[in-house]
Amino acid sequence: EPEVTQTPSHQVTQMGQEVILRCVPISNHLYFYWYRQILGQKVEFLVSFYNNEISEKSEIFDDQFSVERPDGSNFTLKIRSTKLEDSAMYFCASSGPVGQNTEAFFGQGTRLTVV
Amino acid sequence: DQQVKQNSPSLSVQEGRISILNCDYTNSMFDYFLWYKKYPAEGPTFLISISSIKDKNEDGRFTVFLNKSAKHLSLHIVPSQPGDSAVYFCAAYIIQGAQKLVFGQGTRLTINP
Repeated sequence: EPEVTQTPSHQVTQMGQEVILRCVPISNHLYFYWYRQILGQKVEFLVSFYNNEISEKSEIFDDQFSVERPDGSNFTLKIRSTKLEDSAMYFCASSGPVGQNTEAFFGQGTRLTVV
Repeated sequence: DQQVKQNSPSLSVQEGRISILNCDYTNSMFDYFLWYKKYPAEGPTFLISISSIKDKNEDGRFTVFLNKSAKHLSLHIVPSQPGDSAVYFCAAYIIQGAQKLVFGQGTRLTINP
């Protein structure tokens, strides 16, 4: 069964460092997303990406964040200068066209720890 | 602004009985609703969904009910099994364009043997 894969599963970084979280969405999906979940809190939307551009972003997704689809398979989230409060589980998700297979499928997540 | 609310942080049910998880929403523009199940250190796993044009959708042991006038949906699991113990998230989005899912806070379901 196709799945969304994320690497690494756990990333520890020093405050102020740049991190790149990587995702391989399901191959025939068109929409790609990043969500995050701070420990004990709800899952929060960060950004959606369609047709090689950001289609929507939340207020969390400030100038420190960027997304890229560098090739036909990978989808990355970059945090330029990490802060302690960026520590969270980051989930990548993908979905098919609107009106078809309208469920978003999530990866296993990357646990980001900023120290 | 909590557009999707799950007011019960936890629920404990006897194995074999019915589990009912509830969710309320405030945004009347939502037109698609989903339930996800999540185990610790894993991503949310899609369970079942319902479009706003329906009031019920069933898939095996899982049934989702939607009451649009009350802006309320519920997930029924029957019979409940120990493997159902997990955190359940209700989510909703507006079908135009990207599926920006808005999640509830989650309900931790524990099935007791």
